[in-house]
Parts: sequence; structure tokens; C-alpha cells
Amino acid sequence: DQQVKQNSPSLSVQEGRISILNCDYTNSMFDYFLWYKKYPAEGPTFLISISSIKDKNEDGRFTVFLNKSAKHLSLHIVPSQPGDSAVYFCAAVDSDKLIFGTGTRLQVFP
Amino acid sequence: DVKVTQSSRYLVKRTGEKVFLECVQDMDHENMFWYRQDPGLGLRLIYFSYDVKMKEKGDIPEGYSVSREKKERFSLILESASTNQTSMYLCASSSSDRYSDFGEGSWLTVV
Repeated sequence: DQQVKQNSPSLSVQEGRISILNCDYTNSMFDYFLWYKKYPAEGPTFLISISSIKDKNEDGRFTVFLNKSAKHLSLHIVPSQPGDSAVYFCAAVDSDKLIFGTGTRLQVFP
Repeated sequence: DVKVTQSSRYLVKRTGEKVFLECVQDMDHENMFWYRQDPGLGLRLIYFSYDVKMKEKGDIPEGYSVSREKKERFSLILESASTNQTSMYLCASSSSDRYSDFGEGSWLTVV
């Protein structure tokens, strides 16, 4: 069973607009979440995280929102840039391990 | 900056060969992990280790083993490579910072 789900395999957004990537989880015990960005042929790089004691965390153009009651988190990128084109993975921390979603491929076009 | 180094970026091996994938981290992290990434399946945890000589099975350990003789080094071993082990393999390390740093990945093709 997939404990962390990213139901949209791909997303296409125009440069300058907002990108919203979604992630759902099933285990209400998860209390820390992360987003990673991955370019082809490279390892994932950490982007932003959020603890369950917060419902929002912001870092520059990137904001992560957490809705604990819905077991849902989202990553907002504003404004989107062509360099943001990559695969984005959300992950939940489970006893020092990370449980990843299947990823969403974001394409930002001019 | 944390550096996680995977010794081989691209490998081609024959079915039945023994394959070693090496990973070294330079930040004295306690935890190390091996994942594989496949299209549509995300990153799946193969094995992990919380300390030297300790290992724990992840979600897909079948066909793999690991070795951690030194804190900075975590090796993934495919005892007898098969074509369904063709994949991108990612090593990661972490400490109490609560996020993992990843290596560049190793692309393994088994023919």
C-alpha cells in the first residue's frame, strides 16, 4: 500500500504562473514532511520541509501547506520558472526513514 | 556541504554477475540508505543502516544485500544481477537534521 501518494504524474505550467503540486498520505502518525526536486540523471535535492505543528512553511518562491485533517500537503511555486522543470517528490519521515511518493513531473514552458 | 559520493555513475553488467555499488559520505552521518528509482514507482527503499555493521531491510530487499563496515561507507551488493534490477540506484545519508542528502545516482543496466 502506498502510504504517500502523488496522484498527478505530470503538470505543465506557463512561466510566471503558479505551480501547485499535491501529495496525500494515509498514516496520521507522520509528523514531518519534505519535498525534493530531481533533475534527470542527478540525485534528488532537498527543497523544503514542514512539521506537523505548522500548517505553512515558506522559503522564497516555494511554500508548502499542510492540512492534517485531510492528510494532504501541497507545494506552491510562485512564480514558476523554466529552471523549475524537474520531478518533484514529497516524502514523509517514518523513524528516520523517508517514504516517498511516486513523483510529479513539472514542466514550465515560456 | 554534505557530500554523498557514489563511485560508479554508469554500469553495464551481465545477468548473473555480482555487482557492487559503493557509497561514501563525508559528514559523519549515522544513517545511510539505498533506494532505487523507477519510472512511475518513485523512490523505493532497499536497505538502510543506522550504525556500523547494522542493517535493516527496506521495502524491496529481495535480491540485494548491504555492507557497512565503516561509518562513512555503505555498499549495495547484487549477488546475481538480473534484468529486473536495471534501474537508477540512489544512496543517501542523514543525521538528526531530519532530511537526507542524496548522491548523484548510479545507473545500472543488466543485460
